[in-house]
Amino acid sequence: IAGITQAPTSQILAAGRRMTLRCTQDMRHNAMYWYRQDLGLGLRLIHYSNTAGTTGKGEVPDGYSVSRANTDDFPLTLASAVPSQTSVYFCATAVAGGQPQHFGDGTRLSIL
Amino acid sequence: DQQVKQNSPSLSVQEGRISILNCDYTNSMFDYFLWYKKYPAEGPTFLISISSIKDKNEDGRFTVFLNKSAKHLSLHIVPSQPGDSAVYFCAASALISSGSARQLTFGSGTQLTVLP
Repeated sequence: IAGITQAPTSQILAAGRRMTLRCTQDMRHNAMYWYRQDLGLGLRLIHYSNTAGTTGKGEVPDGYSVSRANTDDFPLTLASAVPSQTSVYFCATAVAGGQPQHFGDGTRLSIL
Repeated sequence: DQQVKQNSPSLSVQEGRISILNCDYTNSMFDYFLWYKKYPAEGPTFLISISSIKDKNEDGRFTVFLNKSAKHLSLHIVPSQPGDSAVYFCAASALISSGSARQLTFGSGTQLTVLP
């Protein structure tokens, strides 16, 4: 079934640890995005990628990095997790320059 | 400073009646608007959208209205059904300056409860 797969579904992590959230799509969409959702704030863009090999910063990029080695995968890395990064993280894809964005089911991350 | 605002955190409606969800925005660069529906433990699901060159778009029970002069959009659901109970997010889209990707700016969501 075509779609977006995020892993893990949830994770509890000690502060200071490194963590990579995975996102894989099979829709061959060029554009991919990472958002975080916090209570009362909706979803906010962390990083995005227009196409394989390119990435850009969104609204809240600090403390996060991404890479886009191929079309299908767009991992999000927290180099040294802090409690303020406790959130639900959503990966999304879209046809380049197009709408709408399609979302995965999210990763719930708790930093202690 | 929120560029997209949903001022009603929650809304309760009787089954069969109309649900009206509202959204206001401030940035004139937004040229496309979307509504997403979200159930717990799932990602947002695209519902309906409207381009800034239109003032209305209809899809079955769902209609989105855009008032550009007031920077206001609304989602009408008629008739409302219990299965419509979910969090509804308004989102506004603009091109990201460095390429063809688009940034979505979300409101904080409205929890709709449709009572049987």
